Amino acid sequence: NAGVMQNPRHLVRRRGQEARLRCSPMKGHSHVYWYRQLPEEGLKFMVYLQKENIIDESGMPKERFSAEFPKEGPSILRIQQVVRGDSAAYFCASSAPTFKAERDTDTQYFGPGTRLTVL
Amino acid sequence: AQTVTQSQPEMSVQEAETVTLSCTYDTSESNYYLFWYKQPPSRQMILVIRQEAYKQQNATENRFSVNFQKAAKSFSLKISDSQLGDTAMYFCAFMRNYGGSQGNLIFGKGTKLSVKP
Repeated sequence: NAGVMQNPRHLVRRRGQEARLRCSPMKGHSHVYWYRQLPEEGLKFMVYLQKENIIDESGMPKERFSAEFPKEGPSILRIQQVVRGDSAAYFCASSAPTFKAERDTDTQYFGPGTRLTVL
Repeated sequence: AQTVTQSQPEMSVQEAETVTLSCTYDTSESNYYLFWYKQPPSRQMILVIRQEAYKQQNATENRFSVNFQKAAKSFSLKISDSQLGDTAMYFCAFMRNYGGSQGNLIFGKGTKLSVKP
């Protein structure tokens, strides 16, 4: 039973390039969340998606950042024209649909994160 | 807006002893969840324990237990019989209960716990 998968684990980009971070949720999970962790900080919410829908993007910067969760394939967090301040660890989490009669449909399980370094 | 505060940036404990990590939160909601996550040096976020606000009974998971004081908005984590593998950052997190739908987690800044042999 594979957990949440993220790739790449490490990504190095030069200023102005694009970064694409991928997240495959746990099997049976249809809710995906993206969080960002700056050095020595806790995680900050960015965006919450369900299949083909953005539910809450209140934590996303208004420019350069976008996210999608297509019907088929992983969720993608895309950062255009990266700057040094984008250097951080980006975590994806998933949870089960609420219609499932499972104890922990409200519990988010995290992937290993992608560490983005912008040179 | 909800906030989560962890007032202990760093703590240390001797192996086999007990340690308590503090967490307070601020919310006007009455229905919510609270979590403790652990982040070891590998940086993987691992769920330690969860608590539903409507439950008065404190959650326990093996050596981990919480002291949930709803009126005081306090949610401390007690680790008994500390092991070297417990060395990690510990994050307290809050999530609103939208009555069946989902929501995002709000994290504290974390407490760095070192377990010494």
